[in-house]
Amino acid sequence: RKEVEQDPGPFNVPEGATVAFNCTYSNSASQSFFWYRQDCRKEPKLLMSVYSSGNEDGRFTAQLNRASQYISLLIRDSKLSDSATYLCVVNMYSGGGADGLTFGKGTHLIIQP
Amino acid sequence: DAGVIQSPRHEVTEMGQEVTLRCKPISGHDYLFWYRQTMMRGLELLIYFNNNVPIDDSGMPEDRFSAKMPNASFSTLKIQPSEPRDSAVYFCASSLTISNTEAFFGQGTRLTVV
Repeated sequence: RKEVEQDPGPFNVPEGATVAFNCTYSNSASQSFFWYRQDCRKEPKLLMSVYSSGNEDGRFTAQLNRASQYISLLIRDSKLSDSATYLCVVNMYSGGGADGLTFGKGTHLIIQP
Repeated sequence: DAGVIQSPRHEVTEMGQEVTLRCKPISGHDYLFWYRQTMMRGLELLIYFNNNVPIDDSGMPEDRFSAKMPNASFSTLKIQPSEPRDSAVYFCASSLTISNTEAFFGQGTRLTVV
């Protein structure tokens, strides 16, 4: 049973284009959602949190759809430096409370010049 | 703060040997997590601690794996005996709380068991 699912890609996108990823999660009681970025052979780092009302940080927009249990990330005016793996992260909850962060396998993005 | 510090960065060992991975979390963080990353399975949570106490070890693959946190500034993940299928990148992460806050990752230990 996959708890957080993402399209692994790769997404090959020309520089300057807009690209969007989706992620679905299985636990309807989940409360916290994030996008992390991981560069090749590096550790994951927080890109942005995902709020119920949606949030924007520069060229990046994250949205949450609780009814359909999915999260999205939109990157506008993509740069070569955006090439990375983007990890969808959900804080799962069980009867005992939060269970820690559950990561999707990531979506690999390649921005081409 | 220097961030989460893991050692060693790389480890190559022979099958059957004991492997110990080390982690120093960010000072003041109450939660410490051990993750394993492979191409096939992605990032998997192995175990996490709250105030040095193991809370959930359901992700630990089998009895060959054990983790300890003797104090707030140090944790170990031990594999004994190691097997080739344990080859992966092992990450340690720490955070202030269990939810709604960022988890900071160390640079990882790349383990190869031959």
